[in-house]
Amino acid sequence: GQSLEQPSEVTAVEGAIVQINCTYQTSGFYGLSWYQQHDGGAPTFLSYNALDGLEETGRFSSFLSRSDSYGYLLLQELQMKDSASYFCAVLTDSWGKFQFGAGTQVVVTP
Amino acid sequence: DAGVIQSPRHEVTEMGQEVTLRCKPISGHNSLFWYRQTMMRGLELLIYFNNNVPIDDSGMPEDRFSAKMPNASFSTLKIQPSEPRDSAVYFCASSLPVNTGELFFGEGSRLTVL
Repeated sequence: GQSLEQPSEVTAVEGAIVQINCTYQTSGFYGLSWYQQHDGGAPTFLSYNALDGLEETGRFSSFLSRSDSYGYLLLQELQMKDSASYFCAVLTDSWGKFQFGAGTQVVVTP
Repeated sequence: DAGVIQSPRHEVTEMGQEVTLRCKPISGHNSLFWYRQTMMRGLELLIYFNNNVPIDDSGMPEDRFSAKMPNASFSTLKIQPSEPRDSAVYFCASSLPVNTGELFFGEGSRLTVL
């Protein structure tokens, strides 16, 4: 079967660093994306890894290890506005089909 | 760019009624996706199109659901007849011809079936 596993919730204080892990098992793999979704909003794209290694975009970084079927999203210098759900998503075909994980709710406290 | 446009944003209807959700993808995007999001099942892919052609509809729950893309700038998702368990947020998303790993989501249509 196909599955993406990520923690359901993470709580951290402002200024801290949070790492959200994602392990996947899918029939096809072209890359791993991360999305952020605030309550009542739409998912918005954060990052994409097609190759092994670390991608950095401002306070957010994403890592992929294809051999381990594993990736993570690193949120640094947490801010209150980072409180949201974060989804990992595997690109499973060349048409752009993504399979999403269940999401990790990040709660940032003062 | 206006982004992906969905309508209606909110729909409340009674069981048995027909529901039609609409989506206008971003101009120049050639893939369009319909997702459904619920607390219990998360984000589920229902169907997707490439160059207006349905590629995979295996996620469509049952025959009550149908989707069309008559041209590159318009798609509909229809539920007939609707049932309370169809209550969810339905997202439309589009993507570029070149894979960037990014889906562009609309704001969603929140459907409540009473």
